[in-house]
Amino acid sequence: DGGITQSPKYLFRKEGQNVTLSCEQNLNHDAMYWYRQDPGQGLRLIYYSQIVNDFQKGDIAEGYSVSREKKESFPLTVTSAQKNPTAFYLCASSTVGNQPQHFGDGTRLSIL
Amino acid sequence: GNSVTQMEGPVTLSEEAFLTINCTYTATGYPSLFWYVQYPGEGLQLLLKATKADDKGSNKGFEATYRKETTSFHLEKGSVQVSDSAVYFCALAPRRTGTASKLTFGTGTRLQVTL
Repeated sequence: DGGITQSPKYLFRKEGQNVTLSCEQNLNHDAMYWYRQDPGQGLRLIYYSQIVNDFQKGDIAEGYSVSREKKESFPLTVTSAQKNPTAFYLCASSTVGNQPQHFGDGTRLSIL
Repeated sequence: GNSVTQMEGPVTLSEEAFLTINCTYTATGYPSLFWYVQYPGEGLQLLLKATKADDKGSNKGFEATYRKETTSFHLEKGSVQVSDSAVYFCALAPRRTGTASKLTFGTGTRLQVTL
């Protein structure tokens, strides 16, 4: 079945450490997205990519970085500059245009 | 800019009760509208969508009608079940072609259904 796979499901970060969250899709979608979800809040867009080797900042990009070397993959790095990284991170993909996005099951990041 | 406003939860209902979750939006032009559902510890699943005024999206007994005149997309279900307990998100995507569909989400409404 086609879908989006995020790994790991749970991740712990030490102070001053960078961590990378994986997102892979086999839906042949051109666009991919990263969101952050905090308790009781909606989703906030971190970064998105419309095509390989191209990506744009979303609403809360500071302290995060991404790459898009392959159509299927859109990893997110949470850097040590992100001072409040504890959250639930969701990856999504879609075809271009005003189409619905398909989501992975998320990665929960916590601070040790 | 675009925005989505949902009724605050939690909404607590008895099984078989009627459900309405209000959603209103602010956007230029004619956005597409979506309802997503999130079960505990999981990602979001698309529940239904509508792409133009007066369209009715429906799925699994849930319905929502795109009302341009009131800029609303309220979610309804005639008879809820315990398994419907989840968080529901209203979202919009601006009408653009050839670009990524940047969704704007509401804050979510938690629904709890009891026996």
